[in-house]
Amino acid sequence: SYELTQPPSLSVSPGQTASITCSGHKLGDKYACWYQQKPGQSPVLVIYQDTKRPSGIPERFSGSNSGNTASLTISGTQAMDEGDYYCQAWDSNTVTFGGGTKLTVL
Amino acid sequence: QVQLVQSGAEVKKPGASVKISCKASGYIFTNHAIQWVRQAPGQRLEWMGWINAANGNTKYSEKYQGRVAISRDTSATTAYMEVSSLRSEDTAVYYCALGTTGTGDLDYWGQGALVTVSS
Repeated sequence: SYELTQPPSLSVSPGQTASITCSGHKLGDKYACWYQQKPGQSPVLVIYQDTKRPSGIPERFSGSNSGNTASLTISGTQAMDEGDYYCQAWDSNTVTFGGGTKLTVL
Repeated sequence: QVQLVQSGAEVKKPGASVKISCKASGYIFTNHAIQWVRQAPGQRLEWMGWINAANGNTKYSEKYQGRVAISRDTSATTAYMEVSSLRSEDTAVYYCALGTTGTGDLDYWGQGALVTVSS
């Protein structure tokens, strides 16, 4: 089965850039997307099709995907961006999630 | 607007079954598949399976094959997931989700249904 690997945690100061990586075999050949999840809430899609932002997602969220690594970048990170972030890919008609990265803004 | 509204929390004993519903509205139900994802307390998101709402075809994660059954009622625009032979490790929030872009991402999620398995 396909696997996606993320760092478990990342800490950034307010206003800094946060970059979260997601690694998987030939991930760049698939579409990657990213979800933000806050405690007690359902996940929210923040990036889809590698680089696109859904309506309502701030411009400070951006994505890329090449080779074996997809990345989510949050520019000018704000306290409200704190939460868990999951990458996800679609392969052979199955959904695969990464293990999640806990982003702390302090 | 698109909405997925799930049934409420359940408490079940080990060995029992649970059936969770996901009522969809705001779009043409048969146009998109519905996915099911679960999250145990403090754990990662875990994909369980999906159903093609148009023809009822299903695909399951290998981990849950044989223990999970996903179905739908097109007249009620509702999808269901039944998990059988419950054990304590199945205690989790179960989400239904919808992808409308056609590339596997899930842009709409239900509010989640907590299933607690305890003797």
